[in-house]
Amino acid sequence: KNEVEQSPQNLTAQEGEFITINCSYSVGISALHWLQQHPGGGIVSLFMLSSGKKKHGRLIATINIQEKHSSLHITASHPRDSAVYICAGGWRGAQKLVFGQGTRLTINP
Amino acid sequence: EPEVTQTPSHQVTQMGQEVILRCVPISNHLYFYWYRQILGQKVEFLVSFYNNEISEKSEIFDDQFSVERPDGSNFTLKIRSTKLEDSAMYFCASSEALAINEQFFGPGTRLTVL
Repeated sequence: KNEVEQSPQNLTAQEGEFITINCSYSVGISALHWLQQHPGGGIVSLFMLSSGKKKHGRLIATINIQEKHSSLHITASHPRDSAVYICAGGWRGAQKLVFGQGTRLTINP
Repeated sequence: EPEVTQTPSHQVTQMGQEVILRCVPISNHLYFYWYRQILGQKVEFLVSFYNNEISEKSEIFDDQFSVERPDGSNFTLKIRSTKLEDSAMYFCASSEALAINEQFFGPGTRLTVL
């Protein structure tokens, strides 16, 4: 069964801190997606990766295929980064994404 | 920048009524999806649609649900007889290719069944 697990479920930090959110998944994944869900509910795709590392602004996503693990990092965090961050997996031959339960991030000023 | 749009943003209905949720995917995309998120729970896959037919569906997608691409631009999800437990946020998504490629999500429709 294709599964995705995230940790932590909740994360509170002070502005400026370096943030790490972790995601582990079952074997055979073809692509790992990181998504951001805003307080109003909308979902935005941040990254899609199948190997290595991607960077966009203050966000960095990495994936280790051997360890079946991905991380999302936020450098110099800001209150506007407060949101739910979700990882989701896509497996070859499957049409759907399988979602983790999300990490609720709160950055305090 | 192209985006997926959904209407309405919020739908309130009585139990047993039919609802149609509408989505306009990105125009050159070929794969379309519906997901739902019950409050406080994970996002769950409902159905994917390709080449004018359902290509994969979950066990949630029973006979009460149907999807259609009526006019080449809209992609709809119909719930025939809503139940209280259908209350959720429904997200439409589209992609150029399969889930190993990036999916673009709409803003969601919040369905409340009373």
